[in-house]
Amino acid sequence: NAGVMQNPRHLVRRRGQEARLRCSPMKGHSHVYWYRQLPEEGLKFMVYLQKENIIDESGMPKERFSAEFPKEGPSILRIQQVVRGDSAAYFCASSPPKVAGSLTYNEQFFGPGTRLTVL
Amino acid sequence: AQTVTQSQPEMSVQEAETVTLSCTYDTSESDYYLFWYKQPPSRQMILVIRQEAYKQQNATENRFSVNFQKAAKSFSLKISDSQLGDAAMYFCAYRRDSNSGYALNFGKGTSLLVTP
Repeated sequence: NAGVMQNPRHLVRRRGQEARLRCSPMKGHSHVYWYRQLPEEGLKFMVYLQKENIIDESGMPKERFSAEFPKEGPSILRIQQVVRGDSAAYFCASSPPKVAGSLTYNEQFFGPGTRLTVL
Repeated sequence: AQTVTQSQPEMSVQEAETVTLSCTYDTSESDYYLFWYKQPPSRQMILVIRQEAYKQQNATENRFSVNFQKAAKSFSLKISDSQLGDAAMYFCAYRRDSNSGYALNFGKGTSLLVTP
């Protein structure tokens, strides 16, 4: 069972361009989380999605950032008109659906991250 | 909002010795999870250990153990018999207990250096 996959691993954009980051969750996982890690900082939650639904986007900047998790295909984090402050590592994590009545914690499995550099 | 504080930006330990990394958190919830993650230079986030707040017994995973003090809202990580491969950033994290799944709230991290 392949782990969480993210691509590209490294992405360089010039100010004003668009960045599209992809995340393929583990097989059978229907929950996806995106986190951002600024230099010398811990990970900060951005958005939580289930298939075709955004459940919690409280950590997402109001402008220029959007996320989707379509019925088919990977989850996409999209950053429009990037600025230098968007330079960071972006991590995706996935977890399985929680089984009703189960006490099993649905662990989040992290991908290797995408390092975005804005010139 | 829950906050997680790691007051030690850097720690150093000699190989084979024991080191303790501290973490405190603030929450009004009674049920939650606490975690320690390791981030080596590869940047891959690796789960080290997990503690459910309703469990009084401290979690242990091989050389890694925690000291969970719920009333004090403290959750420290002890690494015994430190190895060179333990050198990494260590992040403490909090998660609410929810049937829908909830985001992890991370501290700023502690950089652990292991010297031969």
